[in-house]
Amino acid sequence: SAVISQKPSRDICQRGTSLTIQCQVDSQVTMMFWYRQQPGQSLTLIATANQGSEATYESGFVIDKFPISRPNLTFSTLTVSNMSPEDSSIYLCSVGPRGQSNEQFFGPGTRLTVL
Amino acid sequence: DAKTTQPPSMDCAEGRAANLPCNHSTISGNEYVYWYRQIHSQGPQYIIHGLKNNETNEMASLIITEDRKSSTLILPHATLRDTAVYYCIVRAPPGFQKLVFGTGTRLLVSP
Repeated sequence: SAVISQKPSRDICQRGTSLTIQCQVDSQVTMMFWYRQQPGQSLTLIATANQGSEATYESGFVIDKFPISRPNLTFSTLTVSNMSPEDSSIYLCSVGPRGQSNEQFFGPGTRLTVL
Repeated sequence: DAKTTQPPSMDCAEGRAANLPCNHSTISGNEYVYWYRQIHSQGPQYIIHGLKNNETNEMASLIITEDRKSSTLILPHATLRDTAVYYCIVRAPPGFQKLVFGTGTRLLVSP
């Protein structure tokens, strides 16, 4: 398995500001992903964080709004820029695949509220 | 990734078997069926996966139809702690890593 921690666990921010979320894994992993889960909704993949190169963004997500860093194989950050209330969501870091089952492991999430 | 269809919600009595269906009629021959669940306020958790054969582990059983167009996740003796949203996901073999989540089934286990 993989132990994933995220900081902060929750935050309340003002519109127009930016927040950087950190994801730390207890061992080196090849793939790291960032997901968003809006209130009452399923998870939506934002991007794949690539070590040593630019992140790969899914349709509807852009680097200017969600810049991502991946400086090494155990750490990544996601910044939510110029926030609006619509950005209020849970942001989850995920790593994988690992083990025989090629499963992905998820962090506990960061609950963001934008006022 | 192939699209999946799941009922939005299901109820189950504690101690009874919970059978969660999933349709994946456009699944390709090399795509696997994965099940994850998300307990309230937590990140999703892997349950089980399969390709063609039925699978069983300590958490659940997975029954895949012969034509692979549908599957059923079985929790043999549901407990209150199994109350969660269950996601059925179809994905390509190892080497193609990203998981795409559908809307899932909200399972409520009651006393």
